[in-house]
Amino acid sequence: GENVEQHPSTLSVQEGDSAVIKCTYSDSASNYFPWYKQELGKRPQLIIDIRSNVGEKKDQRIAVTLNKTAKHFSLHITETQPEDSAVYFCAASIRSGGYQKVTFGTGTKLQVIP
Amino acid sequence: NAGVTQTPKFQVLKTGQSMTLQCAQDMNHNSMYWYRQDPGMGLRLIYYSASEGTTDKGEVPNGYNVSRLNKREFSLRLESAAPSQTSVYFCASSDPSLADTQYFGPGTRLTVL
Repeated sequence: GENVEQHPSTLSVQEGDSAVIKCTYSDSASNYFPWYKQELGKRPQLIIDIRSNVGEKKDQRIAVTLNKTAKHFSLHITETQPEDSAVYFCAASIRSGGYQKVTFGTGTKLQVIP
Repeated sequence: NAGVTQTPKFQVLKTGQSMTLQCAQDMNHNSMYWYRQDPGMGLRLIYYSASEGTTDKGEVPNGYNVSRLNKREFSLRLESAAPSQTSVYFCASSDPSLADTQYFGPGTRLTVL
C-alpha cells in the first residue's frame, strides 16, 4: 500500500521567516495531494491541495510543489505569523473504486516564535 | 449548514464496555470515513463507506464495526473497548464532484481505562 513519510516532525521558525515541510510517497498511482492544518484540540482543515498534473500551486503565503518523478511534494509558508503555529499533515490520495483512499503523513508541529 | 458533526465530544469507558460514536453530515456527500489519531502516528483509516449501503475495512479495523444508516449518518461501534483504543476519533466525508476534499468533524476524545 501507499506509504507517506513527512519531515521534519517539529519545526521552529522566527516570525517572518519561511517554513518548508517535505513529504515523500511510494505509490506512483497517487494523484491528489492535500495539506491539512490542525490547531490544538481542533479538527484537521484543508489549507491547500495539488493534483498530479500540476507542478506548483500558490495561495497567498502558502505554496505547494510536486515532483512526480521523485515522488515528493513540499509545503512552503512564507512570512510566517504566530497564527501559523499548528500541526501540518501531508497526504497522498488515489480514487479506488467509489472512494478516495488517503494516506496521511505523521505530521509536522510548526512553532512560529514572535 | 453544520458540515460534519460528531457526538459525543468526550467519553471515558472501562475495559470491556461498549459504545457507539455518531457522525452526521449535511453536505450530501456520498463517501464517509472514520479515522483514529494517535500521537506521532497521523490519521489512520478505520472504516469507510464509499456510498450509502456499502462499508469496507481500512487500515486498522480490528475491534470496530460500522453502520451507514443512511446517506447522512455513519456510526462507529466499539463492542468491547480496550485501552489500546484510547484515541481521538475523527469522522470525515467527501464527494468526487467536490474534488475529493475530505471535510472532518470536530472529533471524539475517547479514553479507555
